[in-house]
Amino acid sequence: AQSVTQLGSHVSVSEGALVLLRCNYSSSVPPYLFWYVQYPNQGLQLLLKYTSAATLVKGINGFEAEFKKSETSFHLTKPSAHMSDAAEYFCAVSAQGGKLIFGQGTELSVKP
Amino acid sequence: DAGVIQSPRHEVTEMGQEVTLRCKPISGHNSLFWYRQTMMRGLELLIYFNNNVPIDDSGMPEDRFSAKMPNASFSTLKIQPSEPRDSAVYFCASSGTAASGEETQYFGPGTRLLVL
Repeated sequence: AQSVTQLGSHVSVSEGALVLLRCNYSSSVPPYLFWYVQYPNQGLQLLLKYTSAATLVKGINGFEAEFKKSETSFHLTKPSAHMSDAAEYFCAVSAQGGKLIFGQGTELSVKP
Repeated sequence: DAGVIQSPRHEVTEMGQEVTLRCKPISGHNSLFWYRQTMMRGLELLIYFNNNVPIDDSGMPEDRFSAKMPNASFSTLKIQPSEPRDSAVYFCASSGTAASGEETQYFGPGTRLLVL
Protein backbone atom coordinates (compact mmCIF):
# COMPACT_ATOMS: atom_id res chain seq x y z
CA ALA A 1 0.00 0.00 0.00
CA GLN A 2 1.13 3.51 -0.72
CA SER A 3 1.74 6.08 1.99
CA VAL A 4 3.37 9.46 2.47
CA THR A 5 5.10 10.98 5.47
CA GLN A 6 5.85 14.66 5.70
CA LEU A 7 8.45 15.49 8.31
CA GLY A 8 7.56 18.60 10.22
CA SER A 9 4.04 19.96 10.47
CA HIS A 10 5.39 23.52 10.72
CA VAL A 11 8.45 25.04 9.07
CA SER A 12 9.50 28.64 9.55
CA VAL A 13 12.10 30.41 7.42
CA SER A 14 13.25 33.96 6.92
CA GLU A 15 12.53 35.77 3.69
CA GLY A 16 15.32 35.00 1.25
CA ALA A 17 16.33 31.78 2.99
CA LEU A 18 16.25 28.29 1.57
CA VAL A 19 12.98 26.42 1.81
CA LEU A 20 13.17 22.66 2.39
CA LEU A 21 10.02 20.62 2.96
CA ARG A 22 10.53 16.92 3.47
CA CYS A 23 8.48 14.08 2.06
CA ASN A 24 9.10 10.35 2.22
CA TYR A 25 6.92 7.84 0.47
CA SER A 26 6.19 4.16 0.54
CA SER A 27 5.05 2.42 -2.60
CA SER A 28 5.10 -1.14 -3.87
CA VAL A 29 5.23 0.06 -7.47
CA PRO A 30 7.11 2.89 -9.19
CA PRO A 31 5.35 5.92 -7.78
CA TYR A 32 3.86 9.04 -9.22
CA LEU A 33 4.47 11.83 -6.71
CA PHE A 34 2.94 15.26 -6.35
CA TRP A 35 3.37 18.43 -4.38
CA TYR A 36 0.33 20.65 -3.90
CA VAL A 37 0.05 24.04 -2.21
CA GLN A 38 -2.97 25.35 -0.34
CA TYR A 39 -3.35 29.04 0.42
CA PRO A 40 -5.76 30.06 3.18
CA ASN A 41 -9.40 29.39 2.36
CA GLN A 42 -8.55 28.03 -1.08
CA GLY A 43 -8.38 24.67 -2.78
CA LEU A 44 -5.19 22.79 -3.56
CA GLN A 45 -3.04 23.82 -6.50
CA LEU A 46 -0.44 21.63 -8.17
CA LEU A 47 3.15 22.79 -7.70
CA LEU A 48 4.87 19.94 -9.51
CA LYS A 49 4.75 16.22 -10.14
CA TYR A 50 7.11 13.33 -10.75
CA THR A 51 6.08 10.84 -13.41
CA SER A 52 9.43 9.09 -14.01
CA ALA A 53 10.57 11.34 -16.85
CA ALA A 54 13.28 13.12 -14.84
CA THR A 55 14.35 12.87 -11.23
CA LEU A 56 14.66 16.64 -10.78
CA VAL A 57 11.30 18.22 -11.33
CA LYS A 58 10.76 21.94 -11.66
CA GLY A 59 7.44 23.48 -10.77
CA ILE A 60 5.72 26.79 -10.48
CA ASN A 61 6.84 29.74 -8.35
CA GLY A 62 10.48 28.64 -8.34
CA PHE A 63 9.93 25.35 -6.51
CA GLU A 64 11.60 22.10 -7.43
CA ALA A 65 11.77 18.59 -6.05
CA GLU A 66 14.15 15.70 -6.50
CA PHE A 67 13.03 12.09 -6.62
CA LYS A 68 15.49 9.84 -4.81
CA LYS A 69 14.53 6.20 -5.07
CA SER A 70 17.27 5.00 -2.74
CA GLU A 71 15.99 7.28 0.00
CA THR A 72 12.30 6.99 -0.95
CA SER A 73 12.18 10.76 -0.76
CA PHE A 74 10.70 13.61 -2.76
CA HIS A 75 11.72 16.75 -0.89
CA LEU A 76 10.53 20.17 -2.04
CA THR A 77 12.97 23.07 -2.21
CA LYS A 78 13.12 26.71 -3.18
CA PRO A 79 16.39 28.68 -3.05
CA SER A 80 14.92 31.91 -1.73
CA ALA A 81 11.65 32.21 0.19
CA HIS A 82 9.17 34.99 -0.48
CA MET A 83 6.47 36.18 1.85
CA SER A 84 3.94 34.97 -0.68
CA ASP A 85 5.15 31.38 -0.21
CA ALA A 86 3.48 31.18 3.19
CA ALA A 87 0.92 28.40 2.81
CA GLU A 88 0.34 24.74 3.54
CA TYR A 89 2.12 22.21 1.36
CA PHE A 90 1.01 18.66 0.73
CA CYS A 91 2.96 15.77 -0.69
CA ALA A 92 0.94 12.99 -2.32
CA VAL A 93 1.48 9.63 -3.96
CA SER A 94 -0.79 8.16 -6.58
CA ALA A 95 -2.37 4.87 -5.56
CA GLN A 96 -4.30 2.24 -7.45
CA GLY A 97 -6.89 3.70 -9.75
CA GLY A 98 -5.29 7.11 -9.66
CA LYS A 99 -6.50 8.22 -6.26
CA LEU A 100 -4.09 10.36 -4.27
CA ILE A 101 -2.78 9.53 -0.82
CA PHE A 102 -1.82 12.77 0.91
CA GLY A 103 0.63 13.48 3.68
CA GLN A 104 -0.47 15.42 6.72
CA GLY A 105 0.78 18.69 5.31
CA THR A 106 3.49 21.17 6.27
CA GLU A 107 2.63 24.73 7.11
CA LEU A 108 5.30 27.10 5.87
CA SER A 109 5.73 30.45 7.59
CA VAL A 110 8.00 33.14 6.13
CA LYS A 111 9.37 35.80 8.45
CA PRO A 112 10.29 39.23 7.13
CA ASP B 1 -11.87 27.34 -18.32
CA ALA B 2 -13.73 28.09 -15.10
CA GLY B 3 -12.07 25.28 -13.19
CA VAL B 4 -13.88 23.00 -10.77
CA ILE B 5 -16.95 24.70 -9.37
CA GLN B 6 -18.37 23.89 -5.97
CA SER B 7 -21.46 25.15 -4.23
CA PRO B 8 -22.25 26.34 -1.72
CA ARG B 9 -18.96 27.77 -0.53
CA HIS B 10 -20.17 27.88 3.05
CA GLU B 11 -22.93 25.95 4.76
CA VAL B 12 -24.12 26.21 8.32
CA THR B 13 -26.78 23.76 9.41
CA GLU B 14 -28.18 22.13 12.48
CA MET B 15 -27.58 18.58 13.53
CA GLY B 16 -30.02 16.21 11.90
CA GLN B 17 -30.53 18.26 8.78
CA GLU B 18 -29.77 17.05 5.29
CA VAL B 19 -26.82 18.67 3.55
CA THR B 20 -26.14 18.54 -0.19
CA LEU B 21 -22.84 19.64 -1.66
CA ARG B 22 -22.51 20.17 -5.39
CA CYS B 23 -19.66 19.95 -7.85
CA LYS B 24 -19.18 20.72 -11.51
CA PRO B 25 -15.92 19.22 -12.83
CA ILE B 26 -13.79 20.66 -15.58
CA SER B 27 -15.34 20.00 -18.95
CA GLY B 28 -13.84 16.94 -20.62
CA HIS B 29 -12.51 15.40 -17.43
CA ASN B 30 -13.46 11.79 -16.86
CA SER B 31 -12.67 11.38 -13.19
CA LEU B 32 -14.12 13.11 -10.15
CA PHE B 33 -13.00 12.90 -6.54
CA TRP B 34 -14.56 13.99 -3.25
CA TYR B 35 -12.21 14.77 -0.35
CA ARG B 36 -12.75 15.89 3.22
CA GLN B 37 -10.25 18.01 5.11
CA THR B 38 -10.15 18.32 8.90
CA MET B 39 -7.48 19.34 11.35
CA MET B 40 -7.50 15.93 12.99
CA ARG B 41 -7.51 13.67 9.95
CA GLY B 42 -6.04 15.86 7.22
CA LEU B 43 -7.14 15.23 3.63
CA GLU B 44 -9.17 12.08 3.13
CA LEU B 45 -10.53 10.69 -0.10
CA LEU B 46 -14.19 9.87 0.34
CA ILE B 47 -15.15 8.53 -3.06
CA TYR B 48 -14.18 8.80 -6.69
CA PHE B 49 -15.92 8.30 -10.00
CA ASN B 50 -14.60 7.34 -13.39
CA ASN B 51 -16.88 8.03 -16.34
CA ASN B 52 -19.73 8.74 -13.89
CA VAL B 53 -19.37 5.32 -12.23
CA PRO B 54 -18.33 5.09 -8.56
CA ILE B 55 -15.05 3.20 -8.43
CA ASP B 56 -13.99 3.34 -4.80
CA ASP B 57 -16.21 4.49 -1.94
CA SER B 58 -14.17 2.91 0.83
CA GLY B 59 -13.50 6.32 2.32
CA MET B 60 -17.15 7.18 2.85
CA PRO B 61 -17.50 7.36 6.64
CA GLU B 62 -20.85 5.67 7.03
CA ASP B 63 -24.25 5.23 5.52
CA ARG B 64 -25.18 8.81 6.27
CA PHE B 65 -22.95 9.81 3.37
CA SER B 66 -23.90 9.23 -0.25
CA ALA B 67 -22.57 10.53 -3.56
CA LYS B 68 -23.96 10.54 -7.06
CA MET B 69 -22.78 11.54 -10.47
CA PRO B 70 -25.80 11.54 -12.78
CA ASN B 71 -23.84 12.95 -15.71
CA ALA B 72 -20.36 14.03 -16.68
CA SER B 73 -20.85 17.61 -15.55
CA PHE B 74 -22.41 17.25 -12.12
CA SER B 75 -21.92 15.42 -8.85
CA THR B 76 -23.45 15.66 -5.40
CA LEU B 77 -22.33 14.61 -1.95
CA LYS B 78 -25.17 14.25 0.50
CA ILE B 79 -25.09 13.88 4.27
CA GLN B 80 -28.31 12.78 5.93
CA PRO B 81 -28.65 13.25 8.83
CA SER B 82 -25.74 15.58 9.52
CA GLU B 83 -23.79 15.52 12.77
CA PRO B 84 -21.36 18.02 14.33
CA ARG B 85 -18.43 15.70 13.60
CA ASP B 86 -19.15 16.14 9.89
CA SER B 87 -17.94 19.74 10.13
CA ALA B 88 -15.06 20.03 7.69
CA VAL B 89 -14.03 21.45 4.34
CA TYR B 90 -15.18 19.26 1.48
CA PHE B 91 -13.27 19.43 -1.77
CA CYS B 92 -14.17 18.18 -5.19
CA ALA B 93 -11.42 17.51 -7.73
CA SER B 94 -11.39 16.31 -11.31
CA SER B 95 -8.80 14.89 -13.68
CA GLY B 96 -8.56 13.75 -17.26
CA THR B 97 -8.54 10.15 -16.27
CA ALA B 98 -7.76 8.38 -13.03
CA ALA B 99 -6.50 5.22 -14.62
CA SER B 100 -2.98 6.37 -15.45
CA GLY B 101 -2.22 7.70 -12.00
CA GLU B 102 -0.05 10.50 -13.31
CA GLU B 103 -2.91 12.82 -14.17
CA THR B 104 -3.10 16.06 -12.25
CA GLN B 105 -6.15 16.48 -10.09
CA TYR B 106 -7.65 19.96 -10.20
CA PHE B 107 -9.33 21.04 -7.00
CA GLY B 108 -12.32 23.24 -6.45
CA PRO B 109 -12.35 25.97 -3.79
CA GLY B 110 -14.13 23.72 -1.30
CA THR B 111 -17.31 23.88 0.75
CA ARG B 112 -16.83 24.79 4.39
CA LEU B 113 -19.48 22.92 6.37
CA LEU B 114 -20.38 23.68 9.96
CA VAL B 115 -22.92 21.46 11.69
CA LEU B 116 -24.21 22.92 14.94
